[in-house]
Parts: sequence; C-alpha cells; structure tokens
Amino acid sequence: EVQLLESGGNLVQPGGSLRLSCAASGFSFSTYAMSWVRQAPGKGLEWVSAISDSAGSTYYADSVKGRFTISRDNSKNTLYLQMNSLRAEDTAVYYCAKGGATSGRYYYGMDVWGQGTTVTVSS
Amino acid sequence: DIQMTQSPSSLSASVGDRVTITCRASQGISNYLAWFQQKPGKAPKSLIYAASSLQSGVPSRFSGSGSGTDFTLTISSLQPEDFATYYCQHYNNFPLTFGGGTKVEIK
Repeated sequence: EVQLLESGGNLVQPGGSLRLSCAASGFSFSTYAMSWVRQAPGKGLEWVSAISDSAGSTYYADSVKGRFTISRDNSKNTLYLQMNSLRAEDTAVYYCAKGGATSGRYYYGMDVWGQGTTVTVSS
Repeated sequence: DIQMTQSPSSLSASVGDRVTITCRASQGISNYLAWFQQKPGKAPKSLIYAASSLQSGVPSRFSGSGSGTDFTLTISSLQPEDFATYYCQHYNNFPLTFGGGTKVEIK
C-alpha cells in the first residue's frame, strides 16, 4: 500500500524557519516526482513545489520562490521542504503528493496524498 | 499562469441526483486535467486524471470529460459519501493550479 507520512509542522514566529518531511513507503520512491501542496484554513488547495525523481529539476510557486527549498533523499525514501523567512500567509496544512506516473505528462500529476502537517506562523 | 475556474462554487443536491461540475482553463491544456475529492479534515483524494481516466478503486458513478479549455465532472447518482468539496487541477505546465472548489451539500 502506498503511504505518505508528513511531519515537522509546528508553530513558528514570523521570519522563522521550519523543515517538513514526507516519509514514503509502498512504491519505488526514486522513480516518481513528488510535490508539496498547501491549504490555508478555510481555503482551497495551492500547489507549492515539485521535484523530479532524481532531484535534477525543481519548481516553485511564485509565492514561495526564494524562501522555500524542496529536496529529496532517495536512499531514505523521504521528501523535504525547507521553509525560511516564514510569513503569516504561509499558515496552512501542508500535504505531500506522489507523482502520477514514471513518465509522460502525468509525471507531475498527483495520485496519492499524505494526511498533511500543520504549519502555523504567528507571534 | 493558467487560471482554473470552477462552477458552481457550491450546490445542494439529494441522494440519487445527477450532479455536474464544470471547470474552465484560461488557455488550452489538452487533457492534462485531474479531479480531486476532499472531505472535511481529510486529505484530497484523486478521482480522475487525463480528464476522463478513473483512478483505481473510484466508483464508476464518477466520470470526467472535456479537452482543451472546458471540462466536466459528473456524478451519475449521488451517494451519501459523495458530499464533499471537489477540485479540478491542471498539470499542463508549471505553475500547477487548482480550481477554487465546488462544495456539494445535502439538500
């Protein structure tokens, strides 16, 4: 069974940093792209960042570019999101999601999601 | 950036009703469109990809159609477990974007 388990969410002050992790199991992690998606309280879904299977390509939403860094450790089957210079508007549940295919356009799709981890940015 | 516009933003329906949700892309995205279902306090669940391909395990009462800029999610006979919020999302290029969501409520 494919499973994604996020961790690392916490209460942090504006300007602070946090690193989220997503532990993957049940599939060949190193052959799939991965993404982070967030959802602010009472709001819709917002794509944050994506990374290719080998980590050779990374992509970011404009709202987090220059502040967040996505990475992965294929030896540990783990995805990361380093979040710096956090702002109140970064408050959200952060989900990791598995790519939909090992090639083709659905490669950066999202077919399985974790349960999410909560980040609260407040003084 | 490609904008995804869903309509309606909410709807009320009864068990057994046929429900249709539309999603419009601000530019052509071929069939690179997915639909997700989200229940309160839960993670989104993938229903459909490539506009019309059903994810494994998703009931056949769910169907998707469309190509280019206009897409539809249809629930042929609404069941109690289908009351949720539905999102469309394109994966044509970056940034990936979601529609604003459609909340399906009980009438």
